[in-house]
Amino acid sequence: DTEVTQTPKHLVMGMTNKKSLKCEQHMGHRAMYWYKQKAKKPPELMFVYSYEKLSINESVPSRFSPECPNSSLLNLHLHALQPEDSALYLCASSQGFFDRGTGELFFGEGSRLTVL
Amino acid sequence: SQQGEEDPQALSIQEGENATMNCSYKTSINNLQWYRQNSGRGLVHLILIRSNEREKHSGRLRVTLDTSKKSSSLLITASRAADTASYFCATATGANSKLTFGKGITLSVRP
Repeated sequence: DTEVTQTPKHLVMGMTNKKSLKCEQHMGHRAMYWYKQKAKKPPELMFVYSYEKLSINESVPSRFSPECPNSSLLNLHLHALQPEDSALYLCASSQGFFDRGTGELFFGEGSRLTVL
Repeated sequence: SQQGEEDPQALSIQEGENATMNCSYKTSINNLQWYRQNSGRGLVHLILIRSNEREKHSGRLRVTLDTSKKSSSLLITASRAADTASYFCATATGANSKLTFGKGITLSVRP
């Protein structure tokens, strides 16, 4: 199974809502990532978890709160977002931390978030 | 901040033709990778080339790396309509090989 599954595919929320994005992989990967991608822009790294510990936080605002309950799951909790946070949120995983071996990140299909 | 800059930003070719995309970067790298993204979908890893390699092949893909010029090129031979997508180069830098994506190239292959 070489798949990263993200739910929901689409999410619309108001600025006062609290919601969560979920990501799951069953490839035995020990590193998981959240990227944010605006339209016609490249993905931008937000967070990296390695062995269930937060290894990188790219100075992301606290209204985004990541969580890694176990090695297969990665959540992104959203609270008090702004309209400019509307984007495609991509989850990825790799065997190791940015996998110096194959180097390959496996991406999910993304969760498209719209903040009203 | 972006490390890689792809060139051209958009490319339109006829099916069967070859497509060449270039990527330039600014700082020394551990490896350079190319990814494909179909519209609104996730990214798919295509190929990786390490800093001590000059050329790699994978199926219809050929990637070259010139570290002296800090540039890479991706060649897709005998293009197909299904190759229509955005292509990103990504550079792995630093002790942790953190991956940073370039702005991307939009490739359109006309049937």
